[in-house]
Amino acid sequence: GAVVSQHPSWVICKSGTSVKIECRSLDFQATTMFWYRQFPKQSLMLMATSNEGSKATYEQGVEKDKFLINHASLTLSTLTVTSAHPEDSSFYICSARDPLAPIYQPQHFGDGTRLSIL
Amino acid sequence: DAKTTQPPSMDCAEGRAANLPCNHSTISGNEYVYWYRQIHSQGPQYIIHGLKNNETNEMASLIITEDRKSSTLILPHATLRDTAVYYCIVRVANTGNQFYFGTGTSLTVIP
Repeated sequence: GAVVSQHPSWVICKSGTSVKIECRSLDFQATTMFWYRQFPKQSLMLMATSNEGSKATYEQGVEKDKFLINHASLTLSTLTVTSAHPEDSSFYICSARDPLAPIYQPQHFGDGTRLSIL
Repeated sequence: DAKTTQPPSMDCAEGRAANLPCNHSTISGNEYVYWYRQIHSQGPQYIIHGLKNNETNEMASLIITEDRKSSTLILPHATLRDTAVYYCIVRVANTGNQFYFGTGTSLTVIP
């Protein structure tokens, strides 16, 4: 079945650095991917919709200059957390669905990236 | 999107059926009900979805009431590996297809 892969699965870095997270669709071409953030003991919060070849659509309250999204190919979307600080530490998850599958078919989620900022 | 209400936590004895309820009283006619689960530190895993008929697959059964205002996910023989947070989501099936997650139910399967 369709698979979504994220890399890296865990990253630790110093405050002030930028971190890039990759989301790939492995056996289908995803024109749209989604990025979520999850804090401990909380639910997933949708951050943005990544659109291939165009600008991402951000949810209200999500800083687009802080969380840069690039969807340059049909199988890869990247989320860059710029000038990361400890409060950006979280679990970041991407998802996508096969656009050729029936429209009611569900999204597939990556295994997430745990970001820890020291 | 319609909102869902789920109990925050439930326990279930290993080997017994786990019945997880979800209330979606404001669901509209073209919204599907999706169930996902999330095991600690992993991405959500798709379980099952339905529109108005009951559905069954190798993982679970989904029972949707006739008025579609609520549904129940049934894990017929719960195992310890079913311990997870279960999310019920209602969504119009369209090309946008964003999923907005509620708080979910934390299911603990007890030996």
